[in-house]
Amino acid sequence: DAKTTQPTSMDCAEGRAANLPCNHSTISGNEYVYWYRQIHSQGPQYIIHGLKNNETNEMASLIITEDRKSSTLILPHATLRDTAVYYCIAPAKGSSNTGKLIFGQGTTLQVKP
Amino acid sequence: NAGVTQTPKFRVLKTGQSMTLLCAQDMNHEYMYWYRQDPGMGLRLIHYSVGEGTTAKGEVPDGYNVSRLKKQNFLLGLESAAPSQTSVYFCASTLRGYSYEQYFGPGTRLTVT
Repeated sequence: DAKTTQPTSMDCAEGRAANLPCNHSTISGNEYVYWYRQIHSQGPQYIIHGLKNNETNEMASLIITEDRKSSTLILPHATLRDTAVYYCIAPAKGSSNTGKLIFGQGTTLQVKP
Repeated sequence: NAGVTQTPKFRVLKTGQSMTLLCAQDMNHEYMYWYRQDPGMGLRLIHYSVGEGTTAKGEVPDGYNVSRLKKQNFLLGLESAAPSQTSVYFCASTLRGYSYEQYFGPGTRLTVT
């Protein structure tokens, strides 16, 4: 299974951009990278996903390096409500027809006033 | 749309007791999943289902059984609870296996004494 590596924790000032890195050097060429977040004790929430190109939606932007070995999730204007654990996820092997995701320990983002 | 709901929200069991956790979704999703999350850890997949009447093992299936008799419901059973099964249990669903977004329930907090 493709493995992801994230920093354990990060801080960000309210109103500033939060840049969360992820290494996924073993990901296959046709495997997407997914980002979810989990706000204190709630169920995880989908944020964004990408394959090769950079992606943007109403929540965040995802920048994927050309070699696909790493990516960065960007929250452009972090608010206190963005304090959460952020998971960078690669799918489990052979999961194209099962949807199985492998959650690591994620990055705890603390947004400070 | 209620989305994904879980029953109960909290439960305390004694070692050796049995119980069933119910997950229900009203989005007509084909795929459903049960995860557990231990303190400070990411989510680990217990069992999953790719359609009504089907179930399959995930990463940590031992000590659990599941059933998917109706498309909208996915039941997780503990036949003989052990303290090691103290955890928060999350259910999730997605339309298809290659869908990028899993929808999670609010979780069930289980303590086994």
